Amino acid sequence: GAVVSQHPSWVICKSGTSVKIECRSLDFQATTMFWYRQFPKQSLMLMATSNEGSKATYEQGVEKDKFLINHASLTLSTLTVTSAHPEDSSFYICSATILPGQGAYEQYFGPGTRLTVT
Amino acid sequence: DQQVKQNSPSLSVQEGRISILNCDYTNSMFDYFLWYKKYPAEGPTFLISISSIKDKNEDGRFTVFLNKSAKHLSLHIVPSQPGDSAVYFCAASGRIQGAQKLVFGQGTRLTINP
Repeated sequence: GAVVSQHPSWVICKSGTSVKIECRSLDFQATTMFWYRQFPKQSLMLMATSNEGSKATYEQGVEKDKFLINHASLTLSTLTVTSAHPEDSSFYICSATILPGQGAYEQYFGPGTRLTVT
Repeated sequence: DQQVKQNSPSLSVQEGRISILNCDYTNSMFDYFLWYKKYPAEGPTFLISISSIKDKNEDGRFTVFLNKSAKHLSLHIVPSQPGDSAVYFCAASGRIQGAQKLVFGQGTRLTINP
């Protein structure tokens, strides 16, 4: 149980275009989803926290107009990288949790999406 | 400000021996600690966790020790197996800026040699 999927697993896009990444909880309803970013050989950095039906909460330094997050249902959250630039190239990972307010205790991670901006 | 630190970027251990991965943290407000295992191009997989009110938690070959006074935790894997080769992330949970969040260390790449 507690499977999280991401789509696509990898994507290459041209500079200036937008890319949407989907995160789905397959066998449970996720009240809270998290979006992380990982640069090579570095830690996972939390970008934002999204709760179903409300606006995402972004971490300091993360541009909310650039990284649009939508959590329209209890099983789906999307991250849209708008006007992508080469420096946005990274590994994006989502996670989901079942219990509201208990987000950080039991997070189930997706397999990640490798974004390359050319 | 790195609140969770894994000072060893890599560790090499002989198969069958004990692997010890270390993690230090600075924020005394963290109340729950977790270890994740990660393969390249995959998401982290939860391994084991420990509450701040405990000092040890064991699950099969994996044991996590917590020393609150030293703000230090460690993951012991015994006996180590080739399939344990991966990157291990330590994570700490706490209320940061009004929300419960996970803060990850930089990871330690563990290689088990046959």
